[in-house]
Amino acid sequence: TQLLEQSPQFLSIQEGENLTVYCNSSSVFSSLQWYRQEPGEGPVLLVTVVTGGEVKKLKRLTFQFGDARKDSSLHITAAQPGDTGLYLCAGAHFQGAQKLVFGQGTRLTINP
Amino acid sequence: KAGVTQTPRYLIKTRGQQVTLSCSPISGHRSVSWYQQTPGQGLQFLFEYFSETQRNKGNFPGRFSGRQFSNSRSEMNVSTLELGDSALYLCASSGGGGYTFGSGTRLTVV
Repeated sequence: TQLLEQSPQFLSIQEGENLTVYCNSSSVFSSLQWYRQEPGEGPVLLVTVVTGGEVKKLKRLTFQFGDARKDSSLHITAAQPGDTGLYLCAGAHFQGAQKLVFGQGTRLTINP
Repeated sequence: KAGVTQTPRYLIKTRGQQVTLSCSPISGHRSVSWYQQTPGQGLQFLFEYFSETQRNKGNFPGRFSGRQFSNSRSEMNVSTLELGDSALYLCASSGGGGYTFGSGTRLTVV
């Protein structure tokens, strides 16, 4: 059972365009994390959001946690080829939970 | 500081064999988790150890086991390998904040 649905699964856009990746669930999460994974490497943590409605910015990346803490989005402004990679959302069901539920991932390709 | 180290990086095994993978967490981190990553299922939680005790376990058969040593290093073992066990096995350590993942061990079962 996939508890976290990510969309789209694949996205290929031109450099300079904007994009949004969505992560949705019917479950409530105490926190949600976004990771980026390069080929042949492990995922690297980008951000953790814990409060419903929270918005965090990391340079051109904007992360939002839904008010009900069931969904999240990642928005990239003016995408660059260096943003290419697999983006994963992962949720924890309670504070301090050491088991993360991962979405299937969004494979993003930014074309020069 | 040094990151999470997983060894070996690549393994090829035959069906029916067993395999042991190793993970050295970031110094000071006492929690080590293991995940299996496949194209079809994505990342799935295997188990988590803290201070040599298994705290959480995912929905994997008993062929998958693990342990943690007093220095927080962890090993996972898969017995009676099946073709479907081919995957990237990722280890992550945590000191109470977010996870830091290793580069993984790519296991191929033939």
